[in-house]
Amino acid sequence: QVRLQQWGAGLLKPSETLSLSCAVYGGSFGGYYWSWIRQPPGRGLEWIGEINYSGSANYNPSLKSRVIISVDTSKNQFSLKLSSVTAADTAVYYCARVPGVLWFGYYYYYMDVWGKGTTVTVSS
Amino acid sequence: DIQLTQSPSFLSASVGDRVTITCRASQAIGSYLAWYQQEPGKAPKLLFYAASTLQSGVPSRFSGSGSGTEFTLTVSRLQPEDFATYYCQQVNTYPYTFGQGTKLEIK
Repeated sequence: QVRLQQWGAGLLKPSETLSLSCAVYGGSFGGYYWSWIRQPPGRGLEWIGEINYSGSANYNPSLKSRVIISVDTSKNQFSLKLSSVTAADTAVYYCARVPGVLWFGYYYYYMDVWGKGTTVTVSS
Repeated sequence: DIQLTQSPSFLSASVGDRVTITCRASQAIGSYLAWYQQEPGKAPKLLFYAASTLQSGVPSRFSGSGSGTEFTLTVSRLQPEDFATYYCQQVNTYPYTFGQGTKLEIK
């Protein structure tokens, strides 16, 4: 049973850098994309970005200037850094596995395994 | 960005009812849509991918359909554990986007 365990600092001051990591247990690390998603209090889900085993990353343009997602294949881990945080970055941050199924020459992606979430609060 | 609009945003129903949630995309996305269920304080749970493919372990009372710009999620006979918030997500074009959510409450 694949499990994602995530961790990182939960309380930040404005202008600091958010740093979270997510470790993959019980399954293969290669062959997937690995994603970060966040959810502000009482609101919906926002896709932050993703990375694959080889380090190829895709980011949400709304956050791209402040986000770095990296991968450490030796530890089956991937990480999120979000710089210059403000109160608007207060949210629960989730990591997720993104498999793809190939049908008729096209890949269909989805998020099938999620971490439990890390609450990050930005406050002075 | 592709906008996804779910309707209704809130839905009140009783155990045993049949309910349908609609997700409309601002442009055609083929079948590149997933549905998730989220209980309070928990991570989202995948229900469907490719619009209508039921994720392993999800009860068959759930069904998904649609393509292009209009998609539906139907629960045929609501069970107490189905009262949650449901989100659609498009994976056709970056950035991936989610609908605003539909909160399904017990009447």
